[in-house]
Amino acid sequence: NAGVTQTPKFQVLKTGQSMTLQCAQDMNHEYMSWYRQDPGMGLRLIHYSVGAGITDQGEVPNGYNVSRSTTEDFPLRLLSAAPSQTSVYFCASSSRTGGGEKLFFGSGTQLSVL
Amino acid sequence: GQQVMQIPQYQHVQEGEDFTTYCNSSTTLSNIQWYKQRPGGHPVFLIQLVKSGEVKKQKRLTFQFGEAKKNSSLHITATQTTDVGTYFCAGPENTDKLIFGTGTRLQVFP
Repeated sequence: NAGVTQTPKFQVLKTGQSMTLQCAQDMNHEYMSWYRQDPGMGLRLIHYSVGAGITDQGEVPNGYNVSRSTTEDFPLRLLSAAPSQTSVYFCASSSRTGGGEKLFFGSGTQLSVL
Repeated sequence: GQQVMQIPQYQHVQEGEDFTTYCNSSTTLSNIQWYKQRPGGHPVFLIQLVKSGEVKKQKRLTFQFGEAKKNSSLHITATQTTDVGTYFCAGPENTDKLIFGTGTRLQVFP
C-alpha cells in the first residue's frame, strides 16, 4: 500500500525560481493538506482541501498556491521561491475532515532555496 | 488564530527514566491528537482523545486530556532508545484545520 506519496524528496532552488511539489494518495481520502516544518516551529498548515475542486488557506499560505482537480492529487506550487521557504514540506490526508480524523503523512520534501 | 504550545521544547533522559511532555491550547478543543516523528521521518499518528478528563494507555505511554479540554499530556514510563523522536500534539481549529503544537524532541541516552 503506497499511502501518501510525495515527490521529489529533495530539491534545491535559486531565489525566484518556481516549482511544484507533488502529492498523491491512493486511499480515496477526501481531505488533503500541506504542512511545512521548521526547527522550533512545529508543523504549520499551508493550505488544505476538503474535496476535489475545493481548497482553502491555512496558517501560512503566502507564497504558495494549490489546486485539487482530482481526489488523488494535491500539488503545492511555489511561484517565486524565496529563502524563507527553505523548509521540510509534508503532505497529509485523512478520510474525512481534517480536524477530527487522524492524518496520514507522506515522507516529506526537503527544499532549500538559495 | 488558535495556538498550541508544548513544553519542554527539548529533553534528554537516561534510558529507563520517565518522560512527560505537556500541550496547552489557547482555545477549548473538541479533541486532541498525538503524533510521533522519528529522526528523519514523518509524523505518525499515535492516539486521539475526545472526552474531558480522558486517560488512555498504550503500553508504556499514557495520554491525558484535561478537564477543561485545553491541555493534554503524554507520559512515557521507563524510556527506551526506541522512544527517540519528536512528539507533537494537535488540535482542530475548526472542522477542517488541524493545528499542531511546537513539538517536544526527546533524546534517550543508553
